[in-house]
Amino acid sequence: KNQVEQSPQSLIILEGKNCTLQCNYTVSPFSNLRWYKQDTGRGPVSLTIMTFSENTKSNGRYTATLDADTKQSSLHITASQLSDSASYICVVSQGPAGGYNKLIFGAGTRLAVHP
Amino acid sequence: GAVVSQHPSWVICKSGTSVKIECRSLDFQATTMFWYRQFPKQSLMLMATSNEGSKATYEQGVEKDKFLINHASLTLSTLTVTSAHPEDSSFYICSGELAGSYEQYFGPGTRLTVT
Repeated sequence: KNQVEQSPQSLIILEGKNCTLQCNYTVSPFSNLRWYKQDTGRGPVSLTIMTFSENTKSNGRYTATLDADTKQSSLHITASQLSDSASYICVVSQGPAGGYNKLIFGAGTRLAVHP
Repeated sequence: GAVVSQHPSWVICKSGTSVKIECRSLDFQATTMFWYRQFPKQSLMLMATSNEGSKATYEQGVEKDKFLINHASLTLSTLTVTSAHPEDSSFYICSGELAGSYEQYFGPGTRLTVT
């Protein structure tokens, strides 16, 4: 069964601290893995996209890693800011099949950054 | 670039009425558009995939006669919730796939409340 599992479900950290979010997946065929940030009541915004051959990718204070052998990914946030409070969703793209990539969504990690 | 808009951003309707949600790709052509539904504290669930000029493909368990999708042009898709019920209250998010890239860009979402 194609699944994306994320941990922890929720996380509270103090402003300025670092944190790492985890993602495990069982999706086949694998096309790419994406991390999205979703603010409450808003649509997801892409942070990183990694293909099978990429091990790490950074976007400002966000650094994602991918281990395609163990089917694990992580998202590291450095020097957290209050505006980082959001849900972070790991998404694995399956395919293509039928002409498009189907996205398999994780349940997300709800991050709260406190002052 | 690659901006997707949705209208309205929120809507309240009475049970039994129909409501239409528009999804537009503002600066790119989306040959494929996707409609998702998101319940509180849950991740996005794909409802249907639509290709411009053809019938939408619905996910298992999604009633095609209740959720009417029209993808009349490369920049516009509409979702009409017919005979809405309170259980249809949810956050509806669309995305457009940039032709040839398999990259999906998400709209900001539409909050539907059925009273």
